[in-house]
Amino acid sequence: EAGVTQSPTHLIKTRGQQATLRCSPISGHTSVYWYQQALGLGLQFLLWYDEGEERNRGNFPPRFSGRQFPNYSSELNVNALELEDSALYLCASQGPSSYEQYFGPGTRLTVT
Amino acid sequence: AQKVTQAQTEISVVEKEDVTLDCVYETRDTTYYLFWYKQPPSGELVFLIRRNSFDEQNEISGRYSWNFQKSTSSFNFTITASQVVDSAVYFCALSEGRNTGNQFYFGTGTSLTVIP
Repeated sequence: EAGVTQSPTHLIKTRGQQATLRCSPISGHTSVYWYQQALGLGLQFLLWYDEGEERNRGNFPPRFSGRQFPNYSSELNVNALELEDSALYLCASQGPSSYEQYFGPGTRLTVT
Repeated sequence: AQKVTQAQTEISVVEKEDVTLDCVYETRDTTYYLFWYKQPPSGELVFLIRRNSFDEQNEISGRYSWNFQKSTSSFNFTITASQVVDSAVYFCALSEGRNTGNQFYFGTGTSLTVIP
């Protein structure tokens, strides 16, 4: 069974640009979560999508947004990039009747 | 307030030693779920275990064991006879379930280094 996949692996952007990160969940999983792991700050919850809708949002500004597609894959968009957005962005998926989340390898975003 | 506290930032042990990683959580819910994840240098978080609040049985899986104590709000993780491959950052997490947004609260992680 394929795990959670994320693309791209690395992304380098300039301050003020937009970044788009993608995530494909494990087959059969309907929920997708996004986390930001900045250096030394641990994992910070960004967004939760379930059945195509945003269900919960962490304490991040509106320039962090996303969506979930009918095939349950998801996209995270970060607008007006700032230097402090540089981090590892982790996507996790969860099955409809399970409690644990399974993580992808992450996308390392660098903003210069 | 921090819902999950991992007071140990870094731990170093010599191979074959036992090591315990501490996790203390805070919640007012009667139903909740606790997790441990391992993050090796590659970066991908690996799920290790889930514990439900109504199940206080301790669990052993090979060299890994977990001690869940509701009385002290702790969910500690012990690695017996540590190996170099155990070197990683370990995260403890709490979820209060889907009805409360299904948000995972992660601790700040404990970086374990096993010295050969």
